[in-house]
Amino acid sequence: NAGVMQNPRHLVRRRGQEARLRCSPMKGHSHVYWYRQLPEEGLKFMVYLQKENIIDESGMPKERFSAEFPKEGPSILRIQQVVRGDSAAYFCASSPLGSASYNEQFFGPGTRLTVL
Amino acid sequence: KQEVTQIPAALSVPEGENLVLNCSFTDSAIYNLQWFRQDPGKGLTSLLLIQSSQREQTSGRLNASLDKSSGRSTLYIAASQPGDSATYLCAVVSGSARQLTFGSGTQLTVLP
Repeated sequence: NAGVMQNPRHLVRRRGQEARLRCSPMKGHSHVYWYRQLPEEGLKFMVYLQKENIIDESGMPKERFSAEFPKEGPSILRIQQVVRGDSAAYFCASSPLGSASYNEQFFGPGTRLTVL
Repeated sequence: KQEVTQIPAALSVPEGENLVLNCSFTDSAIYNLQWFRQDPGKGLTSLLLIQSSQREQTSGRLNASLDKSSGRSTLYIAASQPGDSATYLCAVVSGSARQLTFGSGTQLTVLP
């Protein structure tokens, strides 16, 4: 059973470009979380999605950031018009049942975004 | 708003020592607590998950305790080894989205 997969592992963008980060959850998991780890800071929750639904995006910046989890295919975190402050490691986690209290989240290896 | 604090921020010990990492959280209304390990430039490896109704969990040389009422958890590592060197993160699950709120981590170095 493959774990959570994220690609690319490393992404370099110039200011103003778009960044697309992909996350394939573990088999059988239909709930995806995105977290961001800024340099020298802890991980912060960004968004929680189920298939075709955004459940909670309270941690995501209001502008330039969007996320989706389509019926088919991976979850996508999209950052438009990237700025240097977006440079960070972006982690995806999946769980089988998002609302279950006993739920454990399993993390992918992360995508390290560098904005030049 | 849930806040998680980890003490100490960094710890260096000789091989073979037993050690304790501390974690505290401000809102005791949690669903569970997880301890993770993060190696430099790598992802997170889940070490232990403690449900809110549980007091402790054990896995090999690791033992984690939870005192929900006082908002505290400890991770005990027995007979530390150089391979245990990593950053250890504590995180609690709370809120309607059941999202994890992380502490800043304890950077552990075990010297051979």
